[in-house]
Amino acid sequence: EPEVTQTPSHQVTQMGQEVILRCVPISNHLYFYWYRQILGQKVEFLVSFYNNEISEKSEIFDDQFSVERPDGSNFTLKIRSTKLEDSAMYFCASSEGQGGGQPQHFGDGTRLSIL
Amino acid sequence: AQSVTQLGSHVSVSEGALVLLRCNYSSSVPPYLFWYVQYPNQGLQLLLKYTTGATLVKGINGFEAEFKKSETSFHLTKPSAHMSDAAEYFCAVSVYGGYNKLIFGAGTRLAVHP
Repeated sequence: EPEVTQTPSHQVTQMGQEVILRCVPISNHLYFYWYRQILGQKVEFLVSFYNNEISEKSEIFDDQFSVERPDGSNFTLKIRSTKLEDSAMYFCASSEGQGGGQPQHFGDGTRLSIL
Repeated sequence: AQSVTQLGSHVSVSEGALVLLRCNYSSSVPPYLFWYVQYPNQGLQLLLKYTTGATLVKGINGFEAEFKKSETSFHLTKPSAHMSDAAEYFCAVSVYGGYNKLIFGAGTRLAVHP
């Protein structure tokens, strides 16, 4: 069964540094998402992306964050000038369509630790 | 705005016992409802979903859930728990006409003991 893959599985970064989290969505999917889960808290929506544009973003997704689909297979989340509170598990997801309750398929996540 | 409440952050059952994980949602428009499972060190795996039609939906691993509009609930059940069901379970909602973002509940950690 096709999978969403995320790299790295664990990223340790000094506060203030930039970090890029990488995702390879399922190949025929057109809609891409990032979520995060701070330890002990809910999974939170960050951003959705379609046709090389952000379609929706949450209040969390401020100017510190950006997303990109640099080629036909990768989908990245960049966090500039990381803060301690950015430490979390970041999940990438993709879906074939958008409407009608299309299910999202998740990767195994990247655990980001900011020191 | 949509929201999801999962009653019980931890549920413990005996192997072979009924599993019941509770989920209530709030939505001003017809919701789409999902249950996801997360095993240790893994991502979220879709168990089942409700979009329209039959209100009792069956998913993988013997789980099912019933959409009850009058109670705004979407509880997850399994008649007989297996040790392998031990995991964290998340209920989530998205809405028609939205960009398909998922709003998650806080999760319920299921423990299964012999």
